Amino acid sequence: DAGVTQSPTHLIKTRGQQVTLRCSPKSGHDTVSWYQQALGQGPQFIFQYYEEEERQRGNFPDRFSGHQFPNYSSELNVNALLLGDSALYLCASSLEGVGNQPQHFGDGTRLSIL
Amino acid sequence: GENVEQHPSTLSVQEGDSAVIKCTYSDSASNYFPWYKQELGKGPQLIIDIRSNVGEKKDQRIAVTLNKTAKHFSLHITETQPEDSAVYFCAASYVYTGTASKLTFGTGTRLQVTL
Repeated sequence: DAGVTQSPTHLIKTRGQQVTLRCSPKSGHDTVSWYQQALGQGPQFIFQYYEEEERQRGNFPDRFSGHQFPNYSSELNVNALLLGDSALYLCASSLEGVGNQPQHFGDGTRLSIL
Repeated sequence: GENVEQHPSTLSVQEGDSAVIKCTYSDSASNYFPWYKQELGKGPQLIIDIRSNVGEKKDQRIAVTLNKTAKHFSLHITETQPEDSAVYFCAASYVYTGTASKLTFGTGTRLQVTL
């Protein structure tokens, strides 16, 4: 049973560039959430996608955008990169349904901005 | 919005001892409280969770307690082993019917189990 997979594992960009990160949810899951984890901090919620729509959004600027595809995979796009965007970007998947559905995380993409 | 505080930030215990990590949350509407373990170079791994209609939950050496009145919840690890060494995060969320809502995380506790 494949867990949450993210690509690439590492990425180096320069200020002002744009980046796209990818996530494949755990088999059977239909909801994808993205989090940003700065060094030494807890993950911060960016947004959540369900049925190809952004359902919830955290306190992140419009430079952060996303997409969910019909197969439930998802992309996170960040435009006009800033040094402060350097972080571990985590994808979590879950299953929409009755009752609480835990979120399962991938190992993340480490983004470094030079 | 929700705010989660977590203490201590670092914790060192000897193998076989117990470890306790405490969290407080601010939003009384929160009703779901998971705990994650994050090893170096890995993503957070769910180890146990509790819902607001339950006061305590155990899974082998791990237990979580919840005090809704005080807005406190705690992770207890008994008989610690070297492989328990990692960073532990608590989180809080409001889950309404069928929807996995956003998680608000604490700042993490680095647990070191020494021989």
